[in-house]
Amino acid sequence: GQSLEQPSEVTAVEGAIVQINCTYQTSGFYGLSWYQQHDGGAPTFLSYNALDGLEETGRFSSFLSRSDSYGYLLLQELQMKDSASYFCAFMDSSYKLIFGSGTRLLVRP
Amino acid sequence: DTAVSQTPKYLVTQMGNDKSIKCEQNLGHDTMYWYKQDSKKFLKIMFSYNNKELIINETVPNRFSPKSPDKAHLNLHINSLELGDSAVYFCASSQDSGPNTEAFFGQGTRLTVV
Repeated sequence: GQSLEQPSEVTAVEGAIVQINCTYQTSGFYGLSWYQQHDGGAPTFLSYNALDGLEETGRFSSFLSRSDSYGYLLLQELQMKDSASYFCAFMDSSYKLIFGSGTRLLVRP
Repeated sequence: DTAVSQTPKYLVTQMGNDKSIKCEQNLGHDTMYWYKQDSKKFLKIMFSYNNKELIINETVPNRFSPKSPDKAHLNLHINSLELGDSAVYFCASSQDSGPNTEAFFGQGTRLTVV
């Protein structure tokens, strides 16, 4: 079957670094995406990793290891506005964008 | 300018009713989707349309039917609404349905069936 596993909740303090892990299982895999969703809002695209390694976009970085079926989102210099839910997602072999169950990040002052 | 817009934002209706949610995108994208997000925030794809052709049809009840009059619109019709249909429904669009696809989401329609 197809699945993505993420921690349900992570708490960190303002200014810190937090890593949100994602493991996946699928027979066909093209790449791993990350989306951010604030309460009451819509999911918004953050990053995409097709190849192994680290992709950096400002304070956010995303990592993929295809051999380990594992990826993570790294958020640096946390700000209060980063409190949101973060979803990993992959596009499977039939081009369906499949989402994980999401990780709720709470940033404390 | 709103890229992906859906209406209404809130919809409260009684069991058994038929309702529609409209979605429009002004990004010139080829592919549009409908997702359902339940109370546990799990996002599940329901339908996908590419150039007015249905290319993905998840195992959703046939009470749900997508209608696309043109590639900028993908409306969702729901017949005989049930309590379990209560959720937030998101419309989304992307440039194409390839693997390196960034999906743009509408603001969601919170459907409550009473």
